[in-house]
Amino acid sequence: QVQLVQSGAEVKKPGASVKVSCKASGYMFTSYGLNWVRQAPGQGLEWMGRISGYNGNTKYAQMFQDRVTMTIDTSTNTAYMDLRSLRSDDTAVYFCARNGLSAFDVWGPGTTVIVSS
Amino acid sequence: DIQMTQSPSSLSASVGDRVTITCRATQDIRNSLAWYQQKPGTAPKLLLFAASRLESGVPSRFSGSGSGTDYTLTISDLQPEDFATYYCQHYNPTLPCTFGQGTKVEIK
Repeated sequence: QVQLVQSGAEVKKPGASVKVSCKASGYMFTSYGLNWVRQAPGQGLEWMGRISGYNGNTKYAQMFQDRVTMTIDTSTNTAYMDLRSLRSDDTAVYFCARNGLSAFDVWGPGTTVIVSS
Repeated sequence: DIQMTQSPSSLSASVGDRVTITCRATQDIRNSLAWYQQKPGTAPKLLLFAASRLESGVPSRFSGSGSGTDYTLTISDLQPEDFATYYCQHYNPTLPCTFGQGTKVEIK
């Protein structure tokens, strides 16, 4: 079945970087893009950006433009989201979600990232 | 970027009630609107896309309508498993996408 499996929880210090992975299975990875969405504790959903599974082209949300890099590895059907210069307000659950034809149709379970000194 | 304003932010309802949640975009989004349900500790689940099309496997008590800038999610005959938070989303495969602030549906 179509599935997105994410890497495990991370605890980072302010100023550090975190790299979250999202491994896809059950569909042709290169035919779909992947999005990254985050959710701070008790807050709503915030779109961070997307990456094409075909050619790795990216589109980032303006507020993350300077700190985020999204990449893919088509040999392992895995997408990565690298967030730099972490701050306490980056503490959140980070989700990957498949770019379906008309919406985000498959979601990973989420990766908790805690930023604390 | 297009902004989405969702209302209400929360509501209380009883099993069997009909519930309506609205979402307004800052410009015409031409039905590029999706609705998601999220329960605590889990990922969002797609309910409807293209404003009114039901995702496979989603019960028919969920429906969507609207056009232009204004859209509505209706849950008829609210069930215990429907108590959750609902988000609208402007979806465009090539542009930035945005979510509404969410509506928490609680038990009265």
